[in-house]
Amino acid sequence: NAGVTQTPKFQVLKTGQSMTLQCAQDMNHNSMYWYRQDPGMGLRLIYYSASEGTTDKGEVPNGYNVSRLNKREFSLRLESAAPSQTSVYFCASTLGGVYTEAFFGQGTRLTVV
Amino acid sequence: GESVGLHLPTLSVQEGDNSIINCAYSNSASDYFIWYKQESGKGPQFIIDIRSNMDKRQGQRVTVLLNKTVKHLSLQIAATQPGDSAVYFCAETSNAGGTSYGKLTFGQGTILTVHP
Repeated sequence: NAGVTQTPKFQVLKTGQSMTLQCAQDMNHNSMYWYRQDPGMGLRLIYYSASEGTTDKGEVPNGYNVSRLNKREFSLRLESAAPSQTSVYFCASTLGGVYTEAFFGQGTRLTVV
Repeated sequence: GESVGLHLPTLSVQEGDNSIINCAYSNSASDYFIWYKQESGKGPQFIIDIRSNMDKRQGQRVTVLLNKTVKHLSLQIAATQPGDSAVYFCAETSNAGGTSYGKLTFGQGTILTVHP
């Protein structure tokens, strides 16, 4: 049982390049989330998908787009990467409903040069 | 508001001591609180949670205390072990607007170092 799986684990991009971070969960969870973590800070929510077919902005959505491909998969796209997007990105999922904990992936470390 | 700064609070303890990690939360509407442990190079891992209708909850070696009056949360780890060394985050959330409990607002984090 893998839980939440993110690919890739590491990535270096040049400014202006695009890329998609992939996330998949095998827990039959309804809700999925993308967070970023910068040095010395807690995680901040970028986008989320409360259920299949819906997506919504979080605290820091600028420069990102998302796609909820199906119930299992939720991708994060950087159309034109900027150095300010250098961060560690975490995908998470929850069953949904009340008082349900979030399960996190291992993270993608992205460097934009 | 957003935390700014590169220096996380740190707590250094000896193996076998009890550890207390504190957290202040910001949103009076939050009704669900979670402590996460994050080891180097890994994603956050659930430790324990508490709902706003409780003021204390105990797990294995861990206790969470919630004081809603002053919006304060603490995590107590009994008989701390070297394997407990990690960054600990508190997180708050609510189901405001029915948007689900996964929209977490994280605290800055505290680095716990346990010396053998």
